[in-house]
Amino acid sequence: DAKTTQPTSMDCAEGRAANLPCNHSTISGNEYVYWYRQIHSQGPQYIIHGLKNNETNEMASLIITEDRKSSTLILPHATLRDTAVYYCIVSRPREGGKLIFGQGTELSVKP
Amino acid sequence: GAVVSQHPSWVICKSGTSVKIECRSLDFQATTMFWYRQFPKQSLMLMATSNEGSKATYEQGVEKDKFLINHASLTLSTLTVTSAHPEDSSFYICSAEAGGSLDTQYFGPGTRLTVL
Repeated sequence: DAKTTQPTSMDCAEGRAANLPCNHSTISGNEYVYWYRQIHSQGPQYIIHGLKNNETNEMASLIITEDRKSSTLILPHATLRDTAVYYCIVSRPREGGKLIFGQGTELSVKP
Repeated sequence: GAVVSQHPSWVICKSGTSVKIECRSLDFQATTMFWYRQFPKQSLMLMATSNEGSKATYEQGVEKDKFLINHASLTLSTLTVTSAHPEDSSFYICSAEAGGSLDTQYFGPGTRLTVL
């Protein structure tokens, strides 16, 4: 499975958009990009995933570059409850694809 | 939809005893479930992949005789930590893969194990 690179930490002002980048330059054609977040002492929460098209749901938007070597997770209006560690993972679903967690980005939303 | 539960949420046991942790997919069937371990201030580490009706596949360095996994039905997988020792104290998290249109893994809330 391809490896991802994320900044260790980021700050964001409450109410502003949080843009979390992820590099996955070795991604292969059948690997999806997944985003999860983990609030302290809880299990990871699924946010969004995509293959090559941009995706949007009620939580976030996922922008994937045309060459698929990087992506950005966008939280449009960050709240204090969005403070968490965000993980970008590439994996193949439905083939028993494992989710290998890196260190993620620790996002702090500040009032 | 796509809810995964774990029981217990926390457990304290004496060294040398065995502890069983249950993972259930509540509103979907999961042919594949995964078990992770997380130490303080570290990321999740995959321990094993569990497929319904077959033996689990363990990651390198994970002792299969110590961490027994059973996936007897499409909604239940169990992890038994045998002869637990203080170094096994950790946060254990399971996930279940929802196939079809859901197409992703959903995680349980985790089980905090403390071995005295």
